[in-house]
Amino acid sequence: AQSVTQLGSHVSVSEGALVLLRCNYSSSVPPYLFWYVQYPNQGLQLLLKYTTGATLVKGINGFEAEFKKSETSFHLTKPSAHMSDAAEYFCAVSGVKAGTALIFGKGTTLSVSS
Amino acid sequence: DSGVTQTPKHLITATGQRVTLRCSPRSGDLSVYWYQQSLDQGLQFLIQYYNGEERAKGNILERFSAQQFPDLHSELNLSSLELGDSALYFCASSVVPSGGSGANVLTFGAGSRLTVL
Repeated sequence: AQSVTQLGSHVSVSEGALVLLRCNYSSSVPPYLFWYVQYPNQGLQLLLKYTTGATLVKGINGFEAEFKKSETSFHLTKPSAHMSDAAEYFCAVSGVKAGTALIFGKGTTLSVSS
Repeated sequence: DSGVTQTPKHLITATGQRVTLRCSPRSGDLSVYWYQQSLDQGLQFLIQYYNGEERAKGNILERFSAQQFPDLHSELNLSSLELGDSALYFCASSVVPSGGSGANVLTFGAGSRLTVL
């Protein structure tokens, strides 16, 4: 079975600092990987996804993530945090069969202070 | 607006009661997914429908059931409600990629917050 572990339920950074949110996955076959963001009182929005090809994936709002098969990781980064980045971030994994449901991690809440 | 519509936004009910949550998927999306979000369990996959048929089941309790209608809207029925069923219930939809593989990008609704007293 596939699973996702997000290390750290809460991460705090200062505005302008590097953002690093950690995600490790477990899958018997190469999976598809996703990062979603949830702002207060809203649904989840897709930040970026990895399927095949280039292992460094760029997403919206300046975020990027790198797929490292040897480490079974898909960490999310942003060079410089902005106050508007404060939200909950979810890493997710799915199989490659068409239409497979996504399995989500428990989420990491990002706080940004001025 | 994501294009996925969920009603009601908020619902307060008592233990033992039954409620129905409704979801209209984004135009053109054939798959509907239901997820439950709670503080202790995180975001749990409940069930998936594709073009009216059940496609996959996750951690859905026997007290819960769902269906997808010919117009592709879906309903999640929760019965014999318990305090622990209080949660945010999300519906998501997707266009299942043609062919055998392809990233399944889910578009989420804003959720229905259920409070069981």
